[in-house]
Amino acid sequence: AQSVTQPDIHITVSEGASLELRCNYSYGATPYLFWYVQSPGQGLQLLLKYFSGDTLVQGIKGFEAEFKRSQSSFNLRKPSVHWSDAAEYFCAVAPLFSGGYNKLIFGAGTRLAVHP
Amino acid sequence: EAQVTQNPRYLITVTGKKLTVTCSQNMNHEYMSWYRQDPGLGLRQIYYSMNVEVTDKGDVPEGYKVSRKEKRNFPLILESPSPNQTSLYFCASKQSGGQGRSPLHFGNGTRLTVT
Repeated sequence: AQSVTQPDIHITVSEGASLELRCNYSYGATPYLFWYVQSPGQGLQLLLKYFSGDTLVQGIKGFEAEFKRSQSSFNLRKPSVHWSDAAEYFCAVAPLFSGGYNKLIFGAGTRLAVHP
Repeated sequence: EAQVTQNPRYLITVTGKKLTVTCSQNMNHEYMSWYRQDPGLGLRQIYYSMNVEVTDKGDVPEGYKVSRKEKRNFPLILESPSPNQTSLYFCASKQSGGQGRSPLHFGNGTRLTVT
């Protein structure tokens, strides 16, 4: 069955430190890949997406993600974290087979805390 | 401003008392969907709609109903709520087509507590 795994439930980093959030998917072909961020009391906002082509994609708020086919991974990175980045981050995949494009499958989320 | 609006933001109810959570979008999106978010489980799809009068079950449809009589509205109905439906609910919409490339736009969520 298709699945999305975010191995880290909670991550704490210091402000200014670099960040990497992990995401692995289980699926026969390369799906469309997304990262969303959820700030407290808010809905989910799209950070970035990957469909094809260049495996390093840039998003909003200084985030980037790298698709690695061999590892079935789509890890999110930021070189220098700001206190306002504290939020919950969700990786999601959209399968490509017929009908599957109607559904986004979400990971369980990674909650990021930022120390001053 | 383009947005997805859910109401209410917070709702406390008792077991068995019918309730409706409304969702409206002003982006003329064909596709709308409901998700529930539970700790450790991420977001799971309840129902979705490809267009007016077209709805289909997601992964966790039991205990829920939806309707899509107008393009902009997609209410979620709990005919007889139970405590296991206590959750955070999100409505989302997007343009159809594009083979899944269109991003989902989310509402701000409805936190439901069933006692």
